[in-house]
Amino acid sequence: EVHLLEAGGALVQPGGSLRLSCAASGFAFTNYAMTWVRQAPGKGLEWVSAISATGASTYYADSVMGRFAISRDNSKNTLYLQMNSLRPEDTAVYYCAKGPFAEFLTSWFDPWGPGTLVTVSS
Amino acid sequence: QPVLTQPPSSSASPGESARLTCTLSSDINVGSYNIYWYQQKPGSPPRYLLYYKSDSDKGQGSGVPSRFSGSKDTSANTAILLISGLQSDDEADYYCMIWPSNVLFGGGTKLTVL
Repeated sequence: EVHLLEAGGALVQPGGSLRLSCAASGFAFTNYAMTWVRQAPGKGLEWVSAISATGASTYYADSVMGRFAISRDNSKNTLYLQMNSLRPEDTAVYYCAKGPFAEFLTSWFDPWGPGTLVTVSS
Repeated sequence: QPVLTQPPSSSASPGESARLTCTLSSDINVGSYNIYWYQQKPGSPPRYLLYYKSDSDKGQGSGVPSRFSGSKDTSANTAILLISGLQSDDEADYYCMIWPSNVLFGGGTKLTVL
């Protein structure tokens, strides 16, 4: 069974940094693109970033471009999101999700992890 | 900037059908895109339901009942998620998603099963 588990969420001050991780199991992690999607409290879904299976290609929403960096360690079956220069509007539950292909192509995200909460506040 | 508009709420009774809409802004043509639908229950992550581009190009998520289906009203530039034979367990938030350039989600519709 495919399983994703995010970790690393915390309370951080504006301007601070945080690194999220997503541990994957139950599938050949090295063969699939992965993505991060966030959800502010009581709000809808917002796509954040994605990475191809090899890590060679990365993609970002305009709202996080230049502040966030996605990466993966295929030897550890783990996806990461390095978040710098955090702002209050980055407060959200961050979900990782699996794509069905090696490249980040028009497709669905399935499954999703349970999410990890990031709170940016002084 | 493309926008997907979903009604904030919808309601229907058990056994009835619910028709949830996702209207695309005029700068993007619903006929050109795969529309993806997700279900999210309180305290849980989203669950992928299905995608729909046309009657000949569609797909159901793993384990998703055939009661959930997609369609389009091209005259209204709108994607539709139809849930037939409503059950109390279908009460959830539903999100549409497309990829005009990067990934774009609608604001979600809260479906209440009365």
